[in-house]
Amino acid sequence: KAGVTQTPRYLIKTRGQQVTLSCSPISGHRSVSWYQQTPGQGLQFLFEYFSETQRNKGNFPGRFSGRQFSNSRSEMNVSTLELGDSALYLCASSLAIRSGAFFGQGTRLTVV
Amino acid sequence: GEDVEQSLFLSVREGDSSVINCTYTDSSSTYLYWYKQEPGAGLQLLTYIFSNMDMKQDQRLTVLLNKKDKHLSLRIADTQTGDSAIYFCAELGTGANNLFFGTGTRLTVIP
Repeated sequence: KAGVTQTPRYLIKTRGQQVTLSCSPISGHRSVSWYQQTPGQGLQFLFEYFSETQRNKGNFPGRFSGRQFSNSRSEMNVSTLELGDSALYLCASSLAIRSGAFFGQGTRLTVV
Repeated sequence: GEDVEQSLFLSVREGDSSVINCTYTDSSSTYLYWYKQEPGAGLQLLTYIFSNMDMKQDQRLTVLLNKKDKHLSLRIADTQTGDSAIYFCAELGTGANNLFFGTGTRLTVIP
């Protein structure tokens, strides 16, 4: 079974631009979560989608948004990029969250 | 709110046992997890434990849970150089759909 796939692996963007990151979950997993990982703040929850509906959202500004498609693939978008948005963005999918979430390799976003 | 704490660093000699500790504050935590992150990689789920258990063993890994003290530990037997990584504990609160992660413990295995 293929794991969680995130694309692209690396991105460099300029302040003020916007970016879209993609995540393909493990086949059959309908829950997709996004996390931001930085050296200073650690792993922080962004949002979680299930069957195309956002069920839960972390404490991030409205510049961070996401969506999920009918095939469970998910995208997250960050508009008006700031230097502090530089981070590793991790996507995780799960069949049932209590059994654990399975993470992709992440997208490393650098804002210059 | 939830708060999950871990010590930042641990060094052990190859072949010794490693014990990584974690404390959490959310008394409603239902499941607790251990993840491993190697350089440049995502998080790998190692094991998890339900809050009504106090121990779980999986090959070289032993998880101990003291619910009264809200303390979780991960013991790695016969630690190998390939175990060098950052280890995160995480908890799932009641009714929650997301995990809260600790700060991570960087394990260094000395050959």
